[in-house]
Amino acid sequence: GDSVTQMEGPVTLSEEAFLTINCTYTATGYPSLFWYVQYPGEGLQLLLKATKADDKGSNKGFEATYRKETTSFHLEKGSVQVSDSAVYFCALSEGNTGTASKLTFGTGTRLQVML
Amino acid sequence: GAVVSQHPSRVICKSGTSVKIECRSLDFQATTMFWYRQFPKQSLMLMATSNEGSKATYEQGVEKDKFLINHASLTLSTLTVTSAHPEDSSFYICSASWVGEQYFGPGTRLTVT
Repeated sequence: GDSVTQMEGPVTLSEEAFLTINCTYTATGYPSLFWYVQYPGEGLQLLLKATKADDKGSNKGFEATYRKETTSFHLEKGSVQVSDSAVYFCALSEGNTGTASKLTFGTGTRLQVML
Repeated sequence: GAVVSQHPSRVICKSGTSVKIECRSLDFQATTMFWYRQFPKQSLMLMATSNEGSKATYEQGVEKDKFLINHASLTLSTLTVTSAHPEDSSFYICSASWVGEQYFGPGTRLTVT
């Protein structure tokens, strides 16, 4: 079955440091890939997504590129801020992009950014 | 836009009682909602897919008689944990599908004593 593997956290960085959170996946077809963020006390929010190989998703300074050859979707940000402190989830969906399909999540990576 | 609420946010109940959790899409209609369970330091595990006007589709290993799901309208799905036991204590999260994406509620912390 489908699975998503994320690097274990927590990840602690100083403000303005470079961030990478690794994510690799296993899927039978050609999934869509997502990064969700969960701020303390809030629900998951879609951060970015990519629906086919070599697509780059980007939002709020975060980027991730769909790499089919390495089955990866690593999350990066050039300069993190304290406000980026949250839990980040990598996920995949096997369904068509126009329909709601169930998501398979990674275990989440907690990011803590210090001043 | 695309806001999903859950009620209650926290609930404590005694073993053997039943608890109902509501999931509402506030500003859109959702024919499909999903229920997840999240264990500490673990991923979200899909429990079931809830379709308006029809029976929910449960994931393998999820007891449908224990976790009753009702999706009576396009804006409301409910999850009832029947005869709750301490092992049912967890964080329950719903999501609602709209324009091909899922929008998540803030979750409900259930503690069974």
